[in-house]
Amino acid sequence: TQLLEQSPQFLSIQEGENLTVYCNSSSVFSSLQWYRQEPGEGPVLLVTVVTGGEVKKLKRLTFQFGDARKDSSLHITAAQPGDTGLYLCAGAKGNTGKLIFGQGTTLQVKP
Amino acid sequence: DTAVSQTPKYLVTQMGNDKSIKCEQNLGHDTMYWYKQDSKKFLKIMFSYNNKELIINETVPNRFSPKSPDKAHLNLHINSLELGDSAVYFCASSQEEISGNTIYFGEGSWLTVV
Repeated sequence: TQLLEQSPQFLSIQEGENLTVYCNSSSVFSSLQWYRQEPGEGPVLLVTVVTGGEVKKLKRLTFQFGDARKDSSLHITAAQPGDTGLYLCAGAKGNTGKLIFGQGTTLQVKP
Repeated sequence: DTAVSQTPKYLVTQMGNDKSIKCEQNLGHDTMYWYKQDSKKFLKIMFSYNNKELIINETVPNRFSPKSPDKAHLNLHINSLELGDSAVYFCASSQEEISGNTIYFGEGSWLTVV
């Protein structure tokens, strides 16, 4: 049973388009993180959200934590080829640092 | 300097062999982890250590034995390798083993069992 459902799993868009990636669960998380992973490398943290309803922005990326802390979204405005990569959401339960990862969203942005 | 470094990066070995992957972090962190990423890119925690003490062991077969000689190192030894062990293994570290901490991943070790 997948605790964190990420959708879509694959996304191929043109440069300049907007997109949203969703991360859903029936469980409550104390914090949720988004990572980006490029081929041949390890995941790199983009953002951590901890408060229900929290919105964080990182340049063209907007992250939102659901009010009930069960879901999250990542919105990219005017995607660029440099945004291409694997995006992973990961939640932590309780006060532990143990992360539960979603299946990932592979994003391809074509020039 | 690489924050979390692991070796080897690529490893091809035969079934039944025993192999080790080494990991070192120079961030001064107290907690280190091993994660496994399968062919579908699904990333799952295997172990975590805090100050050389085992904190998390996620029902990993006992053929996998982590060893932490000091808090800057966490090595992974795998006995009697099986085809299903083929995956990318990521070492990682964080300041503490608490929710919301930033986890720094190494570049991964690509293990192929033939």
